[in-house]
Amino acid sequence: QQQVKQSPQSLIVQKGGISIINCAYENTAFDYFPWYQQFPGKGPALLIAIRPDVSEKKEGRFTISFNKSAKQFSLHIMDSQPGDSATYFCAALNTDKLIFGTGTRLQVFP
Amino acid sequence: EPEVTQTPSHQVTQMGQEVILRCVPISNHLYFYWYRQILGQKVEFLVSFYNNEISEKSEIFDDQFSVERPDGSNFTLKIRSTKLEDSAMYFCASSKDMNYGYTFGSGTRLTVV
Repeated sequence: QQQVKQSPQSLIVQKGGISIINCAYENTAFDYFPWYQQFPGKGPALLIAIRPDVSEKKEGRFTISFNKSAKQFSLHIMDSQPGDSATYFCAALNTDKLIFGTGTRLQVFP
Repeated sequence: EPEVTQTPSHQVTQMGQEVILRCVPISNHLYFYWYRQILGQKVEFLVSFYNNEISEKSEIFDDQFSVERPDGSNFTLKIRSTKLEDSAMYFCASSKDMNYGYTFGSGTRLTVV
């Protein structure tokens, strides 16, 4: 199965809160899991990525948690800021093709 | 920071017309891609290109679509006879290594009327 399922579809968080976005996959051939941030009218920008041999990766306020046995991974945004308001896509790489999740629209209110 | 450049940013075309979307990938990248995003939906893979040939293409990438790297810097997507349902944002991307994330351009918004 080539799908990547993403939830929630939208998320509203107060400034300073934690934003959590979840993704699940079925194809065990996926070997690279990036998260992309997209602002309106712009292309997706790589935010952070993880490989399945690692359970967690942290870069600044962004953390990916990866559960290989459950085939799930999630993005945590700590201390969420209004500037984080964007659409977030998880993705999975199979050979040279990225399969994207359906996206999560995050709104951070002051 | 190196960028993937796409032109034009917005193109309006009549149904049945041919369009060419242009991209300049990052100079030392070897893998090139086209993706599209219909308004409000997820980003979908169209085609990957390496070593001057298509390495993989999706079901969307039918005979109406073609890609070309006419010189050492440009990478183009041609749609021969556009349909209304081709209206979307088209993103070009490139990567140095197929096992890593890509750099996407800002996209071309194609509107077919």
